Amino acid sequence: KQEVTQIPAALSVPEGENLVLNCSFTDSAIYNLQWFRQDPGKGLTSLLLIQSSQREQTSGRLNASLDKSSGRSTLYIAASQPGDSATYLCAVNQGGKLIFGQGTELSVKP
Amino acid sequence: NAGVTQTPKFQVLKTGQSMTLQCAQDMNHEYMSWYRQDPGMGLRLIHYSVGAGITDQGEVPNGYNVSRSTTEDFPLRLLSAAPSQTSVYFCASSTLGASTEAFFGQGTRLTVV
Repeated sequence: KQEVTQIPAALSVPEGENLVLNCSFTDSAIYNLQWFRQDPGKGLTSLLLIQSSQREQTSGRLNASLDKSSGRSTLYIAASQPGDSATYLCAVNQGGKLIFGQGTELSVKP
Repeated sequence: NAGVTQTPKFQVLKTGQSMTLQCAQDMNHEYMSWYRQDPGMGLRLIHYSVGAGITDQGEVPNGYNVSRSTTEDFPLRLLSAAPSQTSVYFCASSTLGASTEAFFGQGTRLTVV
């Protein structure tokens, strides 16, 4: 059974820092991996999608990497801002079904 | 740009009552699914559908029914609500295939008292 783990569960950093969020999964037979952002009381906003054949994807200050063989993905956020404060979720896609990690709650202090 | 629309946004039910959570998408996506989000449990798949007339169970299907009569709509029915069904419910849609990206609605916050 696929299990997805996100470390750390919570992270607090000062504004301007570069940071890395981690996601690991136990079964490498995935279609893709998707990173989401969730603000309190809100829905999920898709940030980046990495296909199983890709190594990384970039969007603005965000860069996501995927190492399928080791079952790991990272989300790199450059020059963090208070507006980046949210919960970040990773999800692996197996046969159309998404299996989620429990998220990393990020707080960026001014 | 409606995307995935869920109604209602909030609902309070009494134990034993029934209700339907609505989900509609305007992207002509074949795949639709329902998740529930609980503290400490993350998001878990309830039911999913790969097209009109086809539905299947996810990880936590008990107490919920679904149907898919059109491509656009995928309602979730609670037949007899229980306090354990207090949760935030999310509907998602995507195309079929390996390169698909999932899009989520804004959620329905349900409380069963």
